[in-house]
Amino acid sequence: ETGVTQTPRHLVMGMTNKKSLKCEQHLGHNAMYWYKQSAKKPLELMFVYNFKEQTENNSVPSRFSPECPNSSHLFLHLHTLQPEDSALYLCASSQEQGDSPLHFGNGTRLTVT
Amino acid sequence: RKEVEQDPGPFNVPEGATVAFNCTYSNSASQSFFWYRQDCRKEPKLLMSVYSSGNEDGRFTAQLNRASQYISLLIRDSKLSDSATYLCVVTPNAGKSTFGDGTTLTVKP
Repeated sequence: ETGVTQTPRHLVMGMTNKKSLKCEQHLGHNAMYWYKQSAKKPLELMFVYNFKEQTENNSVPSRFSPECPNSSHLFLHLHTLQPEDSALYLCASSQEQGDSPLHFGNGTRLTVT
Repeated sequence: RKEVEQDPGPFNVPEGATVAFNCTYSNSASQSFFWYRQDCRKEPKLLMSVYSSGNEDGRFTAQLNRASQYISLLIRDSKLSDSATYLCVVTPNAGKSTFGDGTTLTVKP
């Protein structure tokens, strides 16, 4: 299924690097999300965009900066990350924010060295 | 108390067994309920939505008990390929989805 695609699949970056994660959905959905999943931990919601407007920022540190240029694309800009930020970053979309199911991308496995 | 709590795992069952997972939620205003499946190092995938009247999809049956604020997932005739982590998701009306910690199932030959 290629409804939600994320790039890159794997990323290794140093603490002083700047990188961006990209997500694109081909499902015609109006809401997009960033989740973080650390090893052996549950999914943590980071950001929500509904009709391109940010509706949720779950107390995420400013070293993570989301961007949503349109309803189909979502970015997560990363800078000066810490080793504890190493995790699987998952993008998801849903028809509307709220009661419709989430469709996830394959995720980006990030390692911060 | 967590907003969404799932049965602690892991569940280890033989092929062909029937296994049930429960998930309790604290927000009585919750409107939408889902079960997701997540394989190791992969993204979660929607398994089924949970409807008030209960619903079935092949070997999988999901039920909702609003009075007691829990949902359940029953898997009949377990297959090796059912081995995964099962995530319960609860969403208040127009609110943000809350994921449970997940229950790990291992089906053994």
